[in-house]
Amino acid sequence: GQNIDQPTEMTATEGAIVQINCTYQTSGFNGLFWYQQHAGEAPTFLSYNVLDGLEEKGRFSSFLSRSKGYSYLLLKELQMKDSASYLCAALMYSGGGADGLTFGKGTHLIIQP
Amino acid sequence: DSGVTQTPKHLITATGQRVTLRCSPRSGDLSVYWYQQSLDQGLQFLIQYYNGEERAKGNILERFSAQQFPDLHSELNLSSLELGDSALYFCASSATGGGQETQYFGPGTRLLVL
Repeated sequence: GQNIDQPTEMTATEGAIVQINCTYQTSGFNGLFWYQQHAGEAPTFLSYNVLDGLEEKGRFSSFLSRSKGYSYLLLKELQMKDSASYLCAALMYSGGGADGLTFGKGTHLIIQP
Repeated sequence: DSGVTQTPKHLITATGQRVTLRCSPRSGDLSVYWYQQSLDQGLQFLIQYYNGEERAKGNILERFSAQQFPDLHSELNLSSLELGDSALYFCASSATGGGQETQYFGPGTRLLVL
């Protein structure tokens, strides 16, 4: 099955930039999602990458390299409210179609003043 | 607010019991997904339905079952509960169930098995 790796925890300073990396197995891969989840709340959609390259959306950007099995989420101008878990999720396809999303365990981002 | 509703918010029960979790998708969405989130395993995909039919299956135990009704709401049934089933259960919905679609998550049901 798919194995998604991302750091367990990261710390950054308010106003700074942070990059959260995610690696995945490329076999059957068909797209990469990033979700944000505050403690005890539902995950909310941040970005979706299916082609190689950088997708920018305000303070958040996401990058994908399909050949390397690698993605990152870049958060700029960090705010205290960005303290949350960031979940990397791979969309996998098998012979029968989409298999559903496989999520990493999430990166807990702590923003310090 | 994603527009996905889940009931109940919290559920406390004993080992060996059976519970039913309910989910209503966003208006217009035809596909529903169920996920389990525990501290050590992260968010695990259980099962997906599209317009009443099962579309994809993940790591769902045989003790668990789900269905989607004609009005598109869905129920997840958990039986012979074990301590390890304690987790947050999320329902998500999307428009047509295509893998590339954004999934909108409900607030979750927190299940505690004692």
